[in-house]
Amino acid sequence: QQQVRQSPQSLTVWEGETAILNCSYEDSTFDYFPWYRLFPGESPALLIAIRPVSNKKEDGRFTIFFNKREKKLSLHITDSQPGDSATYFCAASPSSSFSKLVFGQGTSLSVVP
Amino acid sequence: DPKIIQKPKYLVAVTGSEKILICEQYLGHNAMYWYRQSAKKPLEFMFSYSYQKLMDNQTASSRFQPQSSKKNHLDLQITALKPDDSATYFCASSPDRGDTLYFGAGTRLSVL
Repeated sequence: QQQVRQSPQSLTVWEGETAILNCSYEDSTFDYFPWYRLFPGESPALLIAIRPVSNKKEDGRFTIFFNKREKKLSLHITDSQPGDSATYFCAASPSSSFSKLVFGQGTSLSVVP
Repeated sequence: DPKIIQKPKYLVAVTGSEKILICEQYLGHNAMYWYRQSAKKPLEFMFSYSYQKLMDNQTASSRFQPQSSKKNHLDLQITALKPDDSATYFCASSPDRGDTLYFGAGTRLSVL
């Protein structure tokens, strides 16, 4: 049973558009939600993270929207660039163990020039 | 320069053999981890170590044994390899337990 689900599995957008990546979770004890980005052949790297004390976290072109009641969150990438093409992983962990992350299956994003 | 070094990058093994995956971190972190990503599955937590002591173990099989000879090393020994063990194994570290994870580039293991 997958505790963190992502959709879509793959997404293609034109350069300049907003890419929206979705994530949902099941465990109510999850209290920390990082997004990691993975370029082929490289290491997964933390992109942005949110804790449920707020329902929005913004960092440049990347914004997380969080809905605790529905156990859903989304990552919005505005003004998408070809360099944003990568696999994006949503993850979650309880506050008791922020490092014991449960990952979603990832969304493969392609940004077409 | 990569701060978390995993060796080798690619590894091919035969069923029943034993392999050791190497991980060294030069970030001065006190906690280290192993995660695994099998084909079409999410990254999956395996182990966490803090100050060279095992803290969490999510791996059911005793064929997977972490080994920490130094504070900045956490190797992964896998015995009696099976084709289902084929995956990319990621090492990670954090300043302390509960902090942001930093990942290595992974070792891609194929078991034939």
